[in-house]
Amino acid sequence: SYELTQPPSVSVSPGQTASITCSGDELGDYFVSWYQQKPGQSPILVLYEDIKRPSGIPERFSGSNSGNTATLTISGTQAMDEADYYCQTWDTSTAWDVFGTGTRVTVL
Amino acid sequence: QLQLQESGPGLVKPSETLSLTCTVSHASISRSNDNYYWAWIRQPPGKGLEWIGSVYYSGKTYNNPSLKSRVTISVDTSKNQFSLKMFSVTASDTAVYFCASERSDTAQGLVSRYFDLWGRGTLVSVSS
Repeated sequence: SYELTQPPSVSVSPGQTASITCSGDELGDYFVSWYQQKPGQSPILVLYEDIKRPSGIPERFSGSNSGNTATLTISGTQAMDEADYYCQTWDTSTAWDVFGTGTRVTVL
Repeated sequence: QLQLQESGPGLVKPSETLSLTCTVSHASISRSNDNYYWAWIRQPPGKGLEWIGSVYYSGKTYNNPSLKSRVTISVDTSKNQFSLKMFSVTASDTAVYFCASERSDTAQGLVSRYFDLWGRGTLVSVSS
């Protein structure tokens, strides 16, 4: 089965840049989406098709995807960005949705 | 704005069947002009997200193979709802269950599928 691996945690100072990676075999050949989940809440979509932001998502959220790694970048991180982040892709070969293992972003 | 709301028992006994319904509001579940699937996703306490399966308004389904033999996902267009049944549950099925709308597109020759809206989730505990 296809697997997406994320670092368990990332720490960042307010105003700095946080980078969250998502690794999978030839992941660059698939579209990746990213979700933000705060404690006790349901996830919200922050990026789709690697780089696109849904309406209402701040410009400080950006993404890239190449080779075996997709990256979610939060520029000028704010305290409100402290949350768990999950990547997700659709494995075309098996017709499965797959979520990454999740990364907790802490704003120190 | 489309809304989704999960409903169903919060407690299920081991070996019994978990049944949940998601009611879609402010949009038709049969939105044939848009490529939307309707999905179930779960999250065990303190753990990550796990996709359970997705259903199209026509009834076509995609399921997580690790759960496939125990799961049925169906759609009722007359009620604007879709449902999840999970059979022979055990304590490991204890989780928050989310329903979500899943957009399906093709761009640059690639399939794009992502969950653009989620319900609030409902906690289902499996215990005697």
